Amino acid sequence: DAKTTQPNSMESNEEEPVHLPCNHSTISGTDYIHWYRQLPSQGPEYVIHGLTSNVNNRMASLAIAEDRKSSTLILHRATLRDAAVYYCILRDVGANNLFFGTGTRLTVIP
Amino acid sequence: NAGVTQTPKFRILKIGQSMTLQCAQDMNHNYMYWYRQDPGMGLKLIYYSVGAGITDKGEVPNGYNVSRSTTEYFPLRLELAAPSQTSVYFCASSITAPTEAFFGQGTRLTVV
Repeated sequence: DAKTTQPNSMESNEEEPVHLPCNHSTISGTDYIHWYRQLPSQGPEYVIHGLTSNVNNRMASLAIAEDRKSSTLILHRATLRDAAVYYCILRDVGANNLFFGTGTRLTVIP
Repeated sequence: NAGVTQTPKFRILKIGQSMTLQCAQDMNHNYMYWYRQDPGMGLKLIYYSVGAGITDKGEVPNGYNVSRSTTEYFPLRLELAAPSQTSVYFCASSITAPTEAFFGQGTRLTVV
């Protein structure tokens, strides 16, 4: 699986938008971009995934660069409950598992 | 909807003991996974299964065994526990790959 690079940590003020970046310069054409988050003392939770086009769901938006070498997870209004470690993961269409890196620890400031 | 259920939540083992971590899912998912997470680190895949009777190794399988006799259950067996196996263990499932995976709440294991 191709590697991803994320900042170790980010901070955001409550109720402001958050843009979490992910670089994946060696992405292949069959790699899906997945985002998961892990709240303190919990198992990871699926957030969103996409292949080429931008994606929206009730939790977040995923913006994918035209060359697919980077992507951004957007939380439209950060809440205290969004404080977590966010993982950006590439998963080949034929792969049977997910490989997690160390992710970005998001701190939300009240 | 129970989702993925792991038992026990906490366990302390002595070196050399063995135990089985239980994982059950009620979503009829074909794919199931076992991960471990060491403090401050990301998750590492131990074993996975793409259906009943089919299992395969992940990144860190040494010291562990799995079985998958039914769709619902995917137990992880530790033989001869070692301090290096102190970790939090997560079980997960998904309908197919590469779709949304659902994780359990984890089992915190300490080997002393």
